[in-house]
Amino acid sequence: GQQVMQIPQYQHVQEGEDFTTYCNSSTTLSNIQWYKQRPGGHPVFLIQLVKSGEVKKQKRLTFQFGEAKKNSSLHITATQTTDVGTYFCAGPYGGATNKLIFGTGTLLAVQP
Amino acid sequence: NAGVTQTPKFQVLKTGQSMTLQCAQDMNHEYMSWYRQDPGMGLRLIHYSVGAGITDQGEVPNGYNVSRSTTEDFPLRLLSAAPSQTSVYFCASSTQGPSSSYNSPLHFGNGTRLTVT
Repeated sequence: GQQVMQIPQYQHVQEGEDFTTYCNSSTTLSNIQWYKQRPGGHPVFLIQLVKSGEVKKQKRLTFQFGEAKKNSSLHITATQTTDVGTYFCAGPYGGATNKLIFGTGTLLAVQP
Repeated sequence: NAGVTQTPKFQVLKTGQSMTLQCAQDMNHEYMSWYRQDPGMGLRLIHYSVGAGITDQGEVPNGYNVSRSTTEDFPLRLLSAAPSQTSVYFCASSTQGPSSSYNSPLHFGNGTRLTVT
């Protein structure tokens, strides 16, 4: 079946270091979304990418969609303690625009 | 504006018991869905609905029933709880329409933490 994997599963960084999580899909995705979940909280939508090779930035966060539309990445520059949480990518399940399949997530811990 | 409201926040059940997890949204969203979250497995889609009276299965529908009698409410029923259903359950809604080219962003509730002993 369709799978969306993220690496690493867990990353511990010192505050100020950079962080990257990678999202790899077993199928081509028409679009990809990224969510952030703070510890004990619920997922919150961050951004959506739809074009091959697309790059979007939100302050210290840079999101990229692969050329083949099967992978994506999230890069955080100079992490802060407020970046702590689990980051999920998500794409269409079975190509359907009304179903989202989520990646396995990357838990980011930031030490002050 | 409350957004997506889930009740209860916590629940403990014994094997074989039944219960309903409630989900309500006040954003007039047509699309609603239920996910379960387990460690290391991300969020998995249980059931979803594209409008009142319409429901369909997701990735892991077994052991769960849903109905959608109104636009606002989308309850999830466990008919006979099993320890494997111990999880955190999230309800989510979006503006997804039938002619959308891409998935619409999901708005999540705060979740229900369910333990089945």
